[in-house]
Amino acid sequence: NAGVTQTPKFRILKIGQSMTLQCTQDMNHNYMYWYRQDPGMGLKLIYYSVGAGITDKGEVPNGYNVSRSTTEDFPLRLELAAPSQTSVYFCASNIGDRYTGELFFGEGSRLTVL
Amino acid sequence: AQRVTQPEKLLSVFKGAPVELKCNYSYSGSPELFWYVQYSRQRLQLLLRHISRESIKGFTADLNKGETSFHLKKPFAQEEDSAMYYCALSRYRDDKIIFGKGTRLHILP
Repeated sequence: NAGVTQTPKFRILKIGQSMTLQCTQDMNHNYMYWYRQDPGMGLKLIYYSVGAGITDKGEVPNGYNVSRSTTEDFPLRLELAAPSQTSVYFCASNIGDRYTGELFFGEGSRLTVL
Repeated sequence: AQRVTQPEKLLSVFKGAPVELKCNYSYSGSPELFWYVQYSRQRLQLLLRHISRESIKGFTADLNKGETSFHLKKPFAQEEDSAMYYCALSRYRDDKIIFGKGTRLHILP
């Protein structure tokens, strides 16, 4: 049981490039989330999904896209990378009881846009 | 909109001294509050949740609806408590879980 797995762990992009951060979980969790962590700013919710085929915007969705074709996978796409997207990205999942349930986090993906 | 405020970016406390990490929230309904912790080179993980009313690693947190606070407390700090602490809020019937900006706790020897 690997939990939440994110790839890649590190990536450097040039301005304007595109990339996808992968996230997969093997706990059969319905809810999945993408957060970004910036120094002094805490965790900001980018997108979330309550099940396959359902996604919704969080606090800071601009510049990102997501899809949820399966329960296990929730990739985050950056279409035109900008320096403001330099951050550490965390994927998390929850069994489906977001009110009382625990979020399980991945190890994070550190992205630098130059 | 709901908001979670952690007023201290950094809190330095001597080993053995009491610790209090502050968390205030803005939400008029019935929130569920959590504390998450991130130790160096480890994943973010749940420390405790309001609904469980439990003590984890000596930490406790009480929800005060009158003051809209959920402060995290520990009577005697230990060096292994040094970490980043995040307060988080979830609203009933809302799928989002919102985090504060975090407080870095540094335990001095």
